[in-house]
Amino acid sequence: DQQVKQNSPSLSVQEGRISILNCDYTNSMFDYFLWYKKYPAEGPTFLISISSIKDKNEDGRFTVFLNKSAKHLSLHIVPSQPGDSAVYFCAATGRSSNTGKLIFGQGTTLQVKP
Amino acid sequence: GAGVSQSPRYKVTKRGQDVALRCDPISGHVSLYWYRQALGQGPEFLTYFNYEAQQDKSGLPNDRFSAERPEGSISTLTIQRTEQRDSAMYRCASSLFGGFSSGNTIYFGEGSWLTVV
Repeated sequence: DQQVKQNSPSLSVQEGRISILNCDYTNSMFDYFLWYKKYPAEGPTFLISISSIKDKNEDGRFTVFLNKSAKHLSLHIVPSQPGDSAVYFCAATGRSSNTGKLIFGQGTTLQVKP
Repeated sequence: GAGVSQSPRYKVTKRGQDVALRCDPISGHVSLYWYRQALGQGPEFLTYFNYEAQQDKSGLPNDRFSAERPEGSISTLTIQRTEQRDSAMYRCASSLFGGFSSGNTIYFGEGSWLTVV
């Protein structure tokens, strides 16, 4: 049972345009969500997070939106740059459970074309 | 070191052999995590330590898998009697302390690729 799903395996956008990566979850106990970026041959690196008490968190070109009623979150990258080309994973956890467990989606490969 | 260090980076082993994967977390990080990642999938949680105490091992697939962190720093993930289905990338991660918050980032290592033939 995939509790965190990224239904788009890949996304291609033009440099300067907006990239929107989507993520859906099923477990209503999740209350903290994260996005990780991964370049080839490297480990995932933390990008941005959001708590369930918020519906938006912004950090520079990156904004994460959370829609709790739809159990959906999205990552917006504006403007997209070629260096943003990577695999993006969303992850979720229930902080109240006091566990170190993150549940990851399958990842979306973003290609930003110059 | 500057980041989470894992060794070996690549390991090919014969089915039935035991393997040990090592993780050296970022200095001073209290929490250490092991994840497994199959091709085309996201990381899958295996186990988690605070200091030397194993807090959660619910993700370990079966009793052939074990992990330890005896001195609260370096950790070893051991797979006994390896099977082909164990082939995957095994990633270690660490964080300054346990729990998730904007001030507590989890840093992942580059991983150890395990191939069981």
